[in-house]
Amino acid sequence: EAQVTQNPRYLITVTGKKLTVTCSQNMNHEYMSWYRQDPGLGLRQIYYSMNVEVTDKGDVPEGYKVSRKEKRNFPLILESPSPNQTSLYFCASSLTWRLMNTGELFFGEGSRLTVL
Amino acid sequence: DAKTTQPNSMESNEEEPVHLPCNHSTISGTDYIHWYRQLPSQGPEYVIHGLTSNVNNRMASLAIAEDRKSSTLILHRATLRDAAVYYCILSQYSGAGSYQLTFGKGTKLSVIP
Repeated sequence: EAQVTQNPRYLITVTGKKLTVTCSQNMNHEYMSWYRQDPGLGLRQIYYSMNVEVTDKGDVPEGYKVSRKEKRNFPLILESPSPNQTSLYFCASSLTWRLMNTGELFFGEGSRLTVL
Repeated sequence: DAKTTQPNSMESNEEEPVHLPCNHSTISGTDYIHWYRQLPSQGPEYVIHGLTSNVNNRMASLAIAEDRKSSTLILHRATLRDAAVYYCILSQYSGAGSYQLTFGKGTKLSVIP
């Protein structure tokens, strides 16, 4: 089954404790992206990757890092989480960045992160 | 940046058609119009997209105004499962051949049994 898988789905952590949210897709997609969703603010893009070893900042990249060493994986790293990073995070993928105007974004089920 | 404007919320009766409006008065000639929806406790899912002509698929229809400054997502017979937040999005060219989708706040659709 074609899917985007995120882990963990739920996490409670404390300020400053490094964490990684993994994202994996099994559709051989070139394009992957991370979003955060907060009440009243909608979905905002954190980082995106057009292909392996190619990443770029989205609208709200501060406090986050990403890497794209393999095509299927795009982990989101919070080096020193803070309470303002408490949010619902979504990973998404698409066949190719070249078709973003016509292609479809596939989303994972989300990871709810709480930073105390 | 081209933006979209949608009502915050709408209600519909079950099994009746629903017309969800979207204004995008600053759309440029190369921007595609996309619709996604987000069911409760799930990630967004693709609904439909178009450029100039009206589009139909198994989920919905997309009616695009002739001047492309507005569009309407049409659900032909609303079911309880269609209760979701619907996002109208423009895919904007962001350089080097790449496009970005910027999500707004969407319209929360409630379906009344």
